Amino acid sequence: DIQMTQSPSTLSASVGDRVTITCRASQSISSWLAWYQQKAGKAPKLLIYKTSSLEGGVPSRFSGSGSGTEFTLTINSLQPDDFAAYYCQQYNSYPLTFGGGTKVEIK
Amino acid sequence: QITLKESGPTLVKPTQTLTLTCTFSGFSLGTSAVGVGWIRQPPGKALEWLALIYWDDDKRYSPSLKTRLTITKDTSKNQVVLTMTNMDPVDTATYYCAHSPGAGTTFDYWGQGTLVTVSS
Repeated sequence: DIQMTQSPSTLSASVGDRVTITCRASQSISSWLAWYQQKAGKAPKLLIYKTSSLEGGVPSRFSGSGSGTEFTLTINSLQPDDFAAYYCQQYNSYPLTFGGGTKVEIK
Repeated sequence: QITLKESGPTLVKPTQTLTLTCTFSGFSLGTSAVGVGWIRQPPGKALEWLALIYWDDDKRYSPSLKTRLTITKDTSKNQVVLTMTNMDPVDTATYYCAHSPGAGTTFDYWGQGTLVTVSS
């Protein structure tokens, strides 16, 4: 199985900050990485697929980069609506695996 | 507009079999490349992928749970059913079904989730 490791597990930030979340894969997954946002009590929402492609309707302040084993999700100018948990997911091979999550909290 | 909704028991006893149904609209599982997957999330923990079924009846399972899981589809009813045998308290989680658009296996539409508690 490909293990996905996210860091940090918790991040405290203020509105307007630039935030970066890292996801590392235990082996190369090429560019087959997605990012999801999950708000408390809600289902996850797909933000980014294939490392850097923005899902429709997702604000452009979200961006993704990376390849191989190291990936980042960046949120430029954090907005109040962005305080949530974020998960990466690899889909290079089965079993599909998710990272442990990063909770973005208000500082 | 794609929607999915999970249904099933909210409480099961240890050793029982869980049966969850995902009823969806806005797409057909008869369409090439489309799939429906199940993902769960224990309270306060991370997401865990369980199973996925494709339009052509190709089925994929999490290896750690494969012996306990069965996924099936009824294309005419727009439903996907997941059964999990020998339930244990550690299986307490919110169970989600989600649409996979094909050409890879992200999940772009999710149901609201259903909390299943395993307790005697």
